[in-house]
Amino acid sequence: EAGVTQSPTHLIKTRGQQATLRCSPISGHTSVYWYQQALGLGLQFLLWYDEGEERNRGNFPPRFSGRQFPNYSSELNVNALELEDSALYLCASSLRLAGGFYEQYFGPGTRLTVT
Amino acid sequence: GESVGLHLPTLSVQEGDNSIINCAYSNSASDYFIWYKQESGKGPQFIIDIRSNMDKRQGQRVTVLLNKTVKHLSLQIAATQPGDSAVYFCAEMGFSGTYKYIFGTGTRLKVLA
Repeated sequence: EAGVTQSPTHLIKTRGQQATLRCSPISGHTSVYWYQQALGLGLQFLLWYDEGEERNRGNFPPRFSGRQFPNYSSELNVNALELEDSALYLCASSLRLAGGFYEQYFGPGTRLTVT
Repeated sequence: GESVGLHLPTLSVQEGDNSIINCAYSNSASDYFIWYKQESGKGPQFIIDIRSNMDKRQGQRVTVLLNKTVKHLSLQIAATQPGDSAVYFCAEMGFSGTYKYIFGTGTRLKVLA
């Protein structure tokens, strides 16, 4: 069974540009989560999508946005990039949240570098 | 490869010994907990989970203990092997008005030969 996949592996952008990161969940998983992992820090929750809708977002400015497509894949967009946005962006997927939580399976991440 | 957690607390353990990694969680409404292992250059890998109606759960070579009174979670790895070297972090999930997903910063485990 294929795991969570993310693209691109690495992305280099300059300050002020926009970045688009992509994620394909495990087959059968409808929930997709996005996290930011800055070097030396833990994961910070960004966004949660389920069934095409944004269900929750973390404490990040509106220039962090995304969407989930009908096939449950997802896209994270970061506008007006700042140097502090440089981090590893991880996508995870899980079964549908219905009356409880399920383990999240992570992809390998996209390393975003803003210069 | 990637460097994860350059300035994390480090636990050094002799190969073959048992390892205990601790985590203090923050939200008393959290009712689901997971331990993840993250090797350099890779995404976090699920190790074991536990729900709040349990205080202990065992897997293969790993045991998770949950103490809700003091909001403490621990991961025990039996007979630690070189392949266990990685960053380990706990995650707590709960609902209190909104869904909360909180991840610890992690502990680096170094296995000494």
